Amino acid sequence: EAGVAQSPRYKIIEKRQSVAFWCNPISGHATLYWYQQILGQGPKLLIQFQNNGVVDDSQLPKDRFSAERLKGVDSTLKIQPAKLEDSAVYLCASSLLPVGYGYTFGSGTRLTVV
Amino acid sequence: DQQVKQNSPSLSVQEGRISILNCDYTNSMFDYFLWYKKYPAEGPTFLISISSIKDKNEDGRFTVFLNKSAKHLSLHIVPSQPGDSAVYFCAARWTGNQFYFGTGTSLTVIP
Repeated sequence: EAGVAQSPRYKIIEKRQSVAFWCNPISGHATLYWYQQILGQGPKLLIQFQNNGVVDDSQLPKDRFSAERLKGVDSTLKIQPAKLEDSAVYLCASSLLPVGYGYTFGSGTRLTVV
Repeated sequence: DQQVKQNSPSLSVQEGRISILNCDYTNSMFDYFLWYKKYPAEGPTFLISISSIKDKNEDGRFTVFLNKSAKHLSLHIVPSQPGDSAVYFCAARWTGNQFYFGTGTSLTVIP
């Protein structure tokens, strides 16, 4: 089966600019997750979708981050405006079951904010 | 607040020997644990899991041990191979939707 697709692979922006990341999960996976991994740390959940509904966004900085999953398939994560501390790898993952027995991760988007 | 800790940032092991990666957690309500393996420029890939009702799970060269009283999880790789060189993350779930990840241990298997 095809894996979780993410784009772009790399992005460099200046602070206060906006940026968007795209994720296409594995076909049939109802649950989709966005994680943020800062250098030297483990991945941290930003938001979880079940189909096109939000299950958990408690750690999403909603003043600058937004995410949507239209039609319950693809998802986009947006940052506006970006700060230096947003520099990280943004990982998308999907799973069959809502509680995520073994996510499948994409390769991630490495964001550098300068 | 780091609920899942991997205190060894790196580990080097000779090929053929055993690799032991450790993970400690603080929340006794965690009920499911996973290990992920990550190569550079790739996303983490699922390796092995264990439920809190078990103390051991084995899959080929990989065995995960869970000591609930000590809140300690370990991954054993026997025998270690150069292709096992990667960053290993442990993750734990608490009666909900998300997994809490450790900071990772970089394993180098020396040929």
